[in-house]
Amino acid sequence: DAKTTQPTSMDCAEGRAANLPCNHSTISGNEYVYWYRQIHSQGPQYIIHGLKNNETNEMASLIITEDRKSSTLILPHATLRDTAVYYCIGSPDTGTASKLTFGTGTRLQVTL
Amino acid sequence: ETGVTQSPTHLIKTRGQQVTLRCSSQSGHNTVSWYQQALGQGPQFIFQYYREEENGRGNFPPRFSGLQFPNYSSELNVNALELDDSALYLCASSSREWNSPLHFGNGTRLTVT
Repeated sequence: DAKTTQPTSMDCAEGRAANLPCNHSTISGNEYVYWYRQIHSQGPQYIIHGLKNNETNEMASLIITEDRKSSTLILPHATLRDTAVYYCIGSPDTGTASKLTFGTGTRLQVTL
Repeated sequence: ETGVTQSPTHLIKTRGQQVTLRCSSQSGHNTVSWYQQALGQGPQFIFQYYREEENGRGNFPPRFSGLQFPNYSSELNVNALELDDSALYLCASSSREWNSPLHFGNGTRLTVT
């Protein structure tokens, strides 16, 4: 699995866009980029994943660079409930992406 | 749909004892994975079960074992508990569809004294 690098922490004002970067320079051609988040005292929650095209769902957008060495998760209008640890994970497309290698993630603090 | 549920939520055990943690999969999911999350760290993959058989294992010793039942629920058993086993144990379920994401429960907090 690709090694990913994320900033340890970030702050974002409520209502503004939160842009969370992730470097995955060793990602291989068949590895997807997954994003999960973990709110305090809860289990991780799936957000979004992508291979090489940009993706958007009801929670967030994922922008992957053309060389696939980095990506950015965008929360378009952050709220206090988005305060969490965000994990960027590279994982091969095995059909069941169960064995995920989590790092220490980015702690996003959304403030008033 | 019913999400992933785990029991108990908290547990205190003594070093050397054995523990069993339980997990009910989200409806429609037939694959279960277990993760260990130490304080301040990301979750670490323990193993995965599909069709009642272990189908992938992380870097954990044999005293960590599991079961999956015909209804896709699962158990994690840990023998000869050590102090370092104190952690949040997370269960996640998924379907076998292509790149099906994991759905996690809220975990069992195990404290070994």
